[in-house]
Amino acid sequence: GQNIDQPTEMTATEGAIVQINCTYQTSGFNGLFWYQQHAGEAPTFLSYNVLDGLEEKGRFSSFLSRSKGYSYLLLKELQMKDSASYLCAVRGPNDYKLSFGAGTTVTVRA
Amino acid sequence: ETGVTQTPRHLVMGMTNKKSLKCEQHLGHNAMYWYKQSAKKPLELMFVYSLEERVENNSVPSRFSPECPNSSHLFLHLHTLQPEDSALYLCASSRGTSGTDTQYFGPGTRLTVL
Repeated sequence: GQNIDQPTEMTATEGAIVQINCTYQTSGFNGLFWYQQHAGEAPTFLSYNVLDGLEEKGRFSSFLSRSKGYSYLLLKELQMKDSASYLCAVRGPNDYKLSFGAGTTVTVRA
Repeated sequence: ETGVTQTPRHLVMGMTNKKSLKCEQHLGHNAMYWYKQSAKKPLELMFVYSLEERVENNSVPSRFSPECPNSSHLFLHLHTLQPEDSALYLCASSRGTSGTDTQYFGPGTRLTVL
């Protein structure tokens, strides 16, 4: 089975940095995704990691360590619009199968 | 806008009703998915279609019946639902079902079963 853990809630100040951790124990691993979901809206794709290391995309970066079953999403220079739920998802054992964590709700305060 | 649309956006139905959810993708993708998102719970994969053939049926009760008439459209037919089926139902599509294909989601249908 798939077990994916991430914190339920995080709060940070505008302009600060927040790191959202995700740990996983899965039967088969073909990559890890991060999605952002604003309340009442569709999850939108943020990043994909399949090899170990850091992927940087503007203010957002994602890190993966396959040996540790661990990933994080780093949000820099936080803006109010970054207040949302962030979903960690692991692909596997089949390529079409995504297993999601319950999501981390990030609240950005002025 | 992700290129995936869903109708209706909100639906309230009684346990004896029959209704259908519709999903349409404008991305030229070949795979489509139904997910269920309940409050404070992870997204649950329900069904996967690839090239209009069902490749995954994730132990979903028979009161949910999917239909994929072509690669752009996906339906979820609902009948004799239970109150615990109230949730956000999300549709997604991807170019294929292999490699690095990313799933793109629609905005969802918020379903309430009375």
